[in-house]
Amino acid sequence: QLQLQESGPGLVKPSETLSLTCTVSGGSISSISYYWGWIRQPPGKGLEWIGSVFYRGSTYYNPSLKSRVTISVDTSKNQFSLKLSSVTAADTAIFYCARIRGVPFDYWGQGTLVTVSS
Amino acid sequence: QSALTQPASVSGSPGQSITISCTGSSLDLGGYTYVSWYQQHPGKAPKLMIYDVNKRPSGVSNRFSGSKSGNTASLTISGLQAEDEADYYCNSYTTSSTPNWVFGGGTKLTVL
Repeated sequence: QLQLQESGPGLVKPSETLSLTCTVSGGSISSISYYWGWIRQPPGKGLEWIGSVFYRGSTYYNPSLKSRVTISVDTSKNQFSLKLSSVTAADTAIFYCARIRGVPFDYWGQGTLVTVSS
Repeated sequence: QSALTQPASVSGSPGQSITISCTGSSLDLGGYTYVSWYQQHPGKAPKLMIYDVNKRPSGVSNRFSGSKSGNTASLTISGLQAEDEADYYCNSYTTSSTPNWVFGGGTKLTVL
């Protein structure tokens, strides 16, 4: 059974860079059939797609976040990562990683809350 | 990019059927057969319920069904049960700028 697990600091200071890693187990990240993505959800609000990465490194980013987002993949560790720079309180959210089968996000991590505060 | 438009809330009684709409444009769900629906219970990760407009992943109840007409997709839940109370999100592929993915704002389903 495929599992995804987010990890990283739960508290980030304003203006700093948020960094999260998603570890994939029970399957290979190096599959031509899937993209891998990050989605966030501010407390009490809806889902927002952040970006997606293919195992060969090609990426797509949400235009509203593109200037601050970098997503990368480490096939040797079966992981992919998110970096969001110059964070503010508005970036406080639960961050999910997910597998993308074509278009739908079919497997999700449990999510990790990241709070931006000094 | 604009999110897909969903009603903020819908409600129904046990046993009834409800429908949640999701409105987009020809650049997203109107132009592709790539509409997905997710169920999210409080404190939990979203769960894929419908993909490619009307397909159900293995294990999802056949009480859940999807459809699309023009720029509007719909999720129908029949035989409403208490456990169906949750937030529901639609999702589509879009080429409004670069190719990417977009979500609806979410609909809170209350089972009365």
